Amino acid sequence: LAKTTQPISMDSYEGQEVNITCSHNNIATNDYITWYQQFPSQGPRFIIQGYKTKVTNEVASLFIPADRKSSTLSLPRVSLSDTAVYYCLVGDEDDYKLSFGAGTTVTVRA
Amino acid sequence: GAGVSQSPSNKVTEKGKDVELRCDPISGHTALYWYRQSLGQGLEFLIYFQGNSAPDKSGLPSDRFSAERTGGSVSTLTIQRTQQEDSAVYLCASSLWDRGSGETQYFGPGTRLLVL
Repeated sequence: LAKTTQPISMDSYEGQEVNITCSHNNIATNDYITWYQQFPSQGPRFIIQGYKTKVTNEVASLFIPADRKSSTLSLPRVSLSDTAVYYCLVGDEDDYKLSFGAGTTVTVRA
Repeated sequence: GAGVSQSPSNKVTEKGKDVELRCDPISGHTALYWYRQSLGQGLEFLIYFQGNSAPDKSGLPSDRFSAERTGGSVSTLTIQRTQQEDSAVYLCASSLWDRGSGETQYFGPGTRLLVL
């Protein structure tokens, strides 16, 4: 898995958009970018995955520039329930040994 | 459908005792993974099962740790002669192993192990 760097924490308020940028300068050609979310006392949950450009689902959007050396997870109009730790992972389909670092702790306040 | 389930949800044991942790993967998922997450730490890979292939045990921290998967479904992680440093949340995940799609692992809620 390629090394990733993301902010340790971010604070936001309900209704705002939260953008978390992950740096992955050594991303390889076959690597995907995947984001997981983890609530306290729960296992991580897959939220979105992409390879290039933009991916959107019902939970979030993932923006990937042309050089793919970074990616930005965008959470639209966050609510208190979006308070969680968000992990960025980079790897190909054979990288099954997931390894999370500290992730980004997002705290949403009323 | 049902997600990955794990039992027990919490386990308190005394140093030196053996513990067994159970994982029921999502039906139809051929790949099963065990991870460990210590307080305030990231995720640490322990072991991986895929179908009938020999498991990848490269992440097991010592020979006190073992795991098996019966009938390609339920898995048990056993820790013998537990030590205080074994205290952590043990997470199980499963996946379809649908090559080419970029693998997504689905995690259970974890078993919180406390060794006194």
